[in-house]
Amino acid sequence: ETGVTQSPTHLIKTRGQQVTLRCSSQSGHNTVSWYQQALGQGPQFIFQYYREEENGRGNFPPRFSGLQFPNYSSELNVNALELDDSALYLCASSLPQGEGNTIYFGEGSWLTVV
Amino acid sequence: SQQGEEDPQALSIQEGENATMNCSYKTSINNLQWYRQNSGRGLVHLILIRSNEREKHSGRLRVTLDTSKKSSSLLITASRAADTASYFCAYPRYSGGGADGLTFGKGTHLIIQP
Repeated sequence: ETGVTQSPTHLIKTRGQQVTLRCSSQSGHNTVSWYQQALGQGPQFIFQYYREEENGRGNFPPRFSGLQFPNYSSELNVNALELDDSALYLCASSLPQGEGNTIYFGEGSWLTVV
Repeated sequence: SQQGEEDPQALSIQEGENATMNCSYKTSINNLQWYRQNSGRGLVHLILIRSNEREKHSGRLRVTLDTSKKSSSLLITASRAADTASYFCAYPRYSGGGADGLTFGKGTHLIIQP
């Protein structure tokens, strides 16, 4: 158990819809990041939040957005869903990454877009 | 885009044998982490090795880091059927504000034959 919990575990959405995925970080961790993992691929970095501010973003369009709350939990929102958004979405938490801290992942949310 | 490369992409060995996986990267880093992923599940953290360390052990796992060659290896000794999984190396990606996420390769899929 990593202490990082994600919900929901599985969901199916229709193309064009919007989805919100949720993540509770490990106790005391103020840094949360999100990754997209397509089948057979390694995870790809979407963005990172530190103390409620986005402080890094990967090569994802603006329809991927996020929030971090004062308790350090986080949400990933994806608008105008496309078929290619079908993937496992992973949340990770840590203390500030720049200090070389271990990054812990949750079990992920499987999103299928039909 | 993914900048890390794991080698081999797939590895099948007999139970009890040792398994070695390699990882190469292209940038200067201050640490590297190895993760295991069972099919369809989240990432389990195995080891973090810092740039000033050349070797690190954890149970049956041995990780090396050669910063001059920009490469790392993961050795699993006395493999067990439960070691069947995909293994990923991950290292920090850096932007103007410092480390802001992890870069992953495609992983090595390890199969342990009973």
